[in-house]
Amino acid sequence: QQPVQSPQAVILREGEDAVINCSSSKALYSVHWYRQKHGEAPVFLMILLKGGEQKGHEKISASFNEKKQQSSLYLTASQLSYSGTYFCGTEKGNTPLVFGKGTRLSVIA
Amino acid sequence: DTEVTQTPKHLVMGMTNKKSLKCEQHMGHRAMYWYKQKAKKPPELMFVYSYEKLSINESVPSRFSPECPNSSLLNLHLHALQPEDSALYLCASSLSGGSIYEQYFGPGTRLTVT
Repeated sequence: QQPVQSPQAVILREGEDAVINCSSSKALYSVHWYRQKHGEAPVFLMILLKGGEQKGHEKISASFNEKKQQSSLYLTASQLSYSGTYFCGTEKGNTPLVFGKGTRLSVIA
Repeated sequence: DTEVTQTPKHLVMGMTNKKSLKCEQHMGHRAMYWYKQKAKKPPELMFVYSYEKLSINESVPSRFSPECPNSSLLNLHLHALQPEDSALYLCASSLSGGSIYEQYFGPGTRLTVT
């Protein structure tokens, strides 16, 4: 079942912060976050696992609330390079990753 | 080398043609994936190969036929496609199947079916 992302789109000025949310109606084992720039491949940002383990880029922070089946991606002091579409992917344990519809982030100078 | 390569970058084919997409990785990953992505939509999983065996087929029409000749290569054979199959086809790989491994995506093949 496809996770729900919010907001659908957000515009930031350089230096501003943003939070992107991902929620599921099913119990989750892991949440993945990827960023895709226009015309490019998705790039891995972070994995959050049930039980608290996380793996990803140092400059990216995220949370995973297992009870609420929700994850949030925190983008602080945004840079122009943060622009792109952010996808969360969720899975329930040995199931295929299902991506949300994406959040389009635009950072302007 | 953390790169997944895909060829060709662009492909235009008629509905009666047969063509193949190729994906290659040299990271020692044992899981490889084909995704289809339409404009402004998320990637949709088509197939998963784990240790060179097809482990997941997401009810993909038989006009798409995957092949994994070895642990580094993944092909997608196309035959008698429809215009609605036009999309970006992404290949990805991960160390192994399962949720604890990140996926590395190739740049994709942009397919147009005329």
